[in-house]
Amino acid sequence: TQLLEQSPQFLSIQEGENLTVYCNSSSVFSSLQWYRQEPGEGPVLLVTVVTGGEVKKLKRLTFQFGDARKDSSLHITAAQPGDTGLYLCAGANTDKLIFGTGTRLQVFP
Amino acid sequence: NAGVMQNPRHLVRRRGQEARLRCSPMKGHSHVYWYRQLPEEGLKFMVYLQKENIIDESGMPKERFSAEFPKEGPSILRIQQVVRGDSAAYFCASSPEDRAYSYEQYFGPGTRLTVT
Repeated sequence: TQLLEQSPQFLSIQEGENLTVYCNSSSVFSSLQWYRQEPGEGPVLLVTVVTGGEVKKLKRLTFQFGDARKDSSLHITAAQPGDTGLYLCAGANTDKLIFGTGTRLQVFP
Repeated sequence: NAGVMQNPRHLVRRRGQEARLRCSPMKGHSHVYWYRQLPEEGLKFMVYLQKENIIDESGMPKERFSAEFPKEGPSILRIQQVVRGDSAAYFCASSPEDRAYSYEQYFGPGTRLTVT
């Protein structure tokens, strides 16, 4: 069974701080996606990484796919209250996405 | 807005009734997926469909649940004789034909099913 563990599970920080969320697995994935989900809404795709070692930047968000394609990280610089939400990683080898356990981020002004 | 559409957004059913959840994929997308998010749990894959075909239903409960994606119209997830344990958020996602190996999926806003 493929599992994706995210850490930390919860994170509460002040506006302006930096943070990193980790997504780890013992399985290799063809691609890995990061989503953000707000209460009462569906997950919104942030980024897809497909190549081992790949780094993608989306404004203040930096995503990295591990060399072995088993893990990924999401780094947010200078967090803002608008970054608050549930962050989910999802790995794929087929069309069936395997979702991580989620990291709930709260950014206080 | 060409996003994934789901309706209804909220659905309340009594035990034993049927629930029908609808999903219209993004324009140009021919692949549809259903996921379930139980309270305080992560998203779990249920079924993957293309037009008129079920490709992978390995996540579907063996009984009472069925899904279809007809040639015309939205994809339907049907739950017969609902029980309290079916209460959850059900999300539909879609992806384009040319997704290659990225397996990118775009999610709808979900249907929150409450069984009383």
